[in-house]
Amino acid sequence: SQTIHQWPATLVQPVGSPLSLECTVEGTSNPNLYWYRQAAGRGLQLLFYSVGIGQISSEVPQNLSASRPQDRQFILSSKKLLLSDSGFYLCAWSRGAEQYFGPGTRLTVT
Amino acid sequence: GQQLNQSPQSMFIQEGEDVSMNCTSSSIFNTWLWYKQDPGEGPVLLIALYKAGELTSNGRLTAQFGITRKDSFLNISASIPSDVGIYFCAGHLPNAGGTSYGKLTFGQGTILTVHP
Repeated sequence: SQTIHQWPATLVQPVGSPLSLECTVEGTSNPNLYWYRQAAGRGLQLLFYSVGIGQISSEVPQNLSASRPQDRQFILSSKKLLLSDSGFYLCAWSRGAEQYFGPGTRLTVT
Repeated sequence: GQQLNQSPQSMFIQEGEDVSMNCTSSSIFNTWLWYKQDPGEGPVLLIALYKAGELTSNGRLTAQFGITRKDSFLNISASIPSDVGIYFCAGHLPNAGGTSYGKLTFGQGTILTVHP
């Protein structure tokens, strides 16, 4: 069976510091991968998606970037965090219409 | 772009009551999905619908794919306290050349509170 992992689970970072969130998927190959942000427990905003290694599509211009160095690894990064980057970050994978989400990372920028 | 209107935004019910929520879209989808999110966790897929008119059940949950392909509803029968959470609908766009493959459009969610 497939599983999806995210770490860290929670993170508190000062404004201006860098960010790296990691997502890995097990039990499947060549999945589509996604990064979402959820603010205030409502609404999922798609940030990035990837259909293969090194292939990244950005949905919203912002302070964040994504990379896919391996087939089942997806990384969300920032060089300098803003207060507005706070939120709940979710990684998901799919091989069709159905998407399966990870446990999420709670990011607080202070 | 695609937009989903999910209603109601929130519901406060007594344990044992039935619940109904729905999503409508200005455009068609070829797949409708319903998710539940518990506090502090990622959304979990409850039901997937692939054909217009399809009615699918998963325990106390029943969902339908609207005939027009522009709407879907989710019913929960005999609610229990663990049904508390946020319920999201999501629609999948027809693949028109691969650029929208696997991308979902989400509703804004229905917050369900169940009083014992």
